[in-house]
Amino acid sequence: EIVMTQSPATLSMSPGERATLSCRASQSVSSNLAWYQQKPGQAPRLLIYGASTRATGIPARFSGSGSGTEFTLTISSLQSEDFAVYYCQQYNNWSGTFGPGTKVHIK
Amino acid sequence: EVQLVESGGGLVQPGGSLRLSCAASGFTFSSYDMNWVRQAPGKGLEWVSYISRSGGSLYYADSVKGRFTITRDNAKNSLYLQMNSLRDEDTAVYYCARDPGAVLGGDHWGQGTLVTVSS
Repeated sequence: EIVMTQSPATLSMSPGERATLSCRASQSVSSNLAWYQQKPGQAPRLLIYGASTRATGIPARFSGSGSGTEFTLTISSLQSEDFAVYYCQQYNNWSGTFGPGTKVHIK
Repeated sequence: EVQLVESGGGLVQPGGSLRLSCAASGFTFSSYDMNWVRQAPGKGLEWVSYISRSGGSLYYADSVKGRFTITRDNAKNSLYLQMNSLRDEDTAVYYCARDPGAVLGGDHWGQGTLVTVSS
């Protein structure tokens, strides 16, 4: 079973700052990696799939990078609506493991 | 507008069964793979199961394999999850999600239905 880890667990940021979130897989998942945003009481929202492809309607300030076991989600300039929990998910070999999440909150 | 509406959740005793449904509208249901993803109260996301657009390919998380069965009825634009031998740890909000292309997640999600397993 592939285990996903995310760091940091929480990120305290101010609006306008650049946020960098990390995700690591216990073994290579190639580029089969997605990022989701979830706000309290809401369903998750797909941001990135294929490690770096933005989903439809996702603003350009969200970008993904990496392959193999190391991945990064970057939010270039945090907006008020970006404070949320972010999950990475690998979908290699027909299993879909999520990471534990990174909570981005306002400093 | 894409809409996914889950139903069928509720309170069930350990060892019991429940069938969840997801009604889809606003897109050609038969053209998309679908997933179930769950979230225990206050916890993270857990992928549960995947079904291909034809229903011919099925995959499950190890935690539910042998107990849960995913099916779909393309004529009724509906997705289902039959859950048997339920355990306390199956308590969660269950989401159905439209898969944009074998990502085992979704570009559109329902609002979720709560399943509580408790005696």
